[in-house]
Amino acid sequence: SQQGEEDPQALSIQEGENATMNCSYKTSINNLQWYRQNSGRGLVHLILIRSNEREKHSGRLRVTLDTSKKSSSLLITASRAADTASYFCATDELNAGGTSYGKLTFGQGTILTVHP
Amino acid sequence: EAGVAQSPRYKIIEKRQSVAFWCNPISGHATLYWYQQILGQGPKLLIQFQNNGVVDDSQLPKDRFSAERLKGVDSTLKIQPAKLEDSAVYLCASSLRTFGRGVYNEQFFGPGTRLTVL
Repeated sequence: SQQGEEDPQALSIQEGENATMNCSYKTSINNLQWYRQNSGRGLVHLILIRSNEREKHSGRLRVTLDTSKKSSSLLITASRAADTASYFCATDELNAGGTSYGKLTFGQGTILTVHP
Repeated sequence: EAGVAQSPRYKIIEKRQSVAFWCNPISGHATLYWYQQILGQGPKLLIQFQNNGVVDDSQLPKDRFSAERLKGVDSTLKIQPAKLEDSAVYLCASSLRTFGRGVYNEQFFGPGTRLTVL
């Protein structure tokens, strides 16, 4: 089952612009992670935000998490052509006992195209 | 450090044939995952191992899919017999450890095996 729903499904911008992708989910989580997948390549971990965190930065990436709304956003600032890829959010859900087995549930992804 | 290794990278078979994929996780990683990624979708977890034990196989179609991790290191995923809808990329991932609230695990993914069933 797909928990994370991402918006938009596709995003096309010019180099230097910012790109914002949103993710919504349905259950209680231990953490939320963002991954990037280039065409024909495997997934690469970008950033992890814990359930008790609201914002996190890593280089040109900024992630926010609102557990009350069960949503997250990924902002890529000053985008580059090399940022062209599919971006996925993935949730590490808490089970009924309030613990995590590390199982990730991925969204459908946002396809980002950055034009030079 | 070496990443997650998978083979083969590509496989084309006819429906009703059998196929097997191999994964070697990052050294020391106790947890291993197999995902299926259909074109245009996000990865879907098929099975999760902790050492050589199964943690979650709730989404594994057990009538045709099987997986093992006998010595707690390498793993194989098998499909027998294959159907057209099994055409997908099969991703293997590993992480250092898994259990517990407050345990935060990054998963490292291999390059995947692209399976085409004709």
